[in-house]
Amino acid sequence: DTAVSQTPKYLVTQMGNDKSIKCEQNLGHDTMYWYKQDSKKFLKIMFSYNNKELIINETVPNRFSPKSPDKAHLNLHINSLELGDSAVYFCASSLPGQRNEKLFFGSGTQLSVL
Amino acid sequence: RKEVEQDPGPFNVPEGATVAFNCTYSNSASQSFFWYRQDCRKEPKLLMSVYSSGNEDGRFTAQLNRASQYISLLIRDSKLSDSATYLCVVTISSNTGKLIFGQGTTLQVKP
Repeated sequence: DTAVSQTPKYLVTQMGNDKSIKCEQNLGHDTMYWYKQDSKKFLKIMFSYNNKELIINETVPNRFSPKSPDKAHLNLHINSLELGDSAVYFCASSLPGQRNEKLFFGSGTQLSVL
Repeated sequence: RKEVEQDPGPFNVPEGATVAFNCTYSNSASQSFFWYRQDCRKEPKLLMSVYSSGNEDGRFTAQLNRASQYISLLIRDSKLSDSATYLCVVTISSNTGKLIFGQGTTLQVKP
């Protein structure tokens, strides 16, 4: 039933490790996103893919690499994790042809880097 | 200056009160405007779009003032279940899908 699902929900790891967050949507949307919400609650876009093609790449360190094997999946891999990467990461997708309208968010992955 | 600015609050109001939130945006080329709601430790969800003529959805009324680059959300007859963070959201281009979120305004409705 879940429209946008991301795993894991919680991720606790040591500095320097490499980790991945997976996201899948079953809504048939063409566009998927990764957003980061920091401790001050600001939600900032990181990446956006439309039909497996990267269309938005904000100023994000190269340690972050999104991968979209198909339009229903957008995974986020993070290399050499740093303390400042601790945040909640939200995956989202949007309706075809209406990228600016309703975003459907996953429930978030709380990443804690120790 | 932040692209989208909101008073983070919290706004503490009694049940039944009317409360208004404001939001200002810096880019005059902004095209689309929304209010999202985020409950504690949950994902944001679209509350309503904001149209130039203003729009209403039940107890919620949204207004847009392009000249002043200002958006508002009015909640009438507040319910306990309205307690959440309300995020003001703006887009610049209709083709990129890039939504710019404000920090959010936290509302606590007390019995």
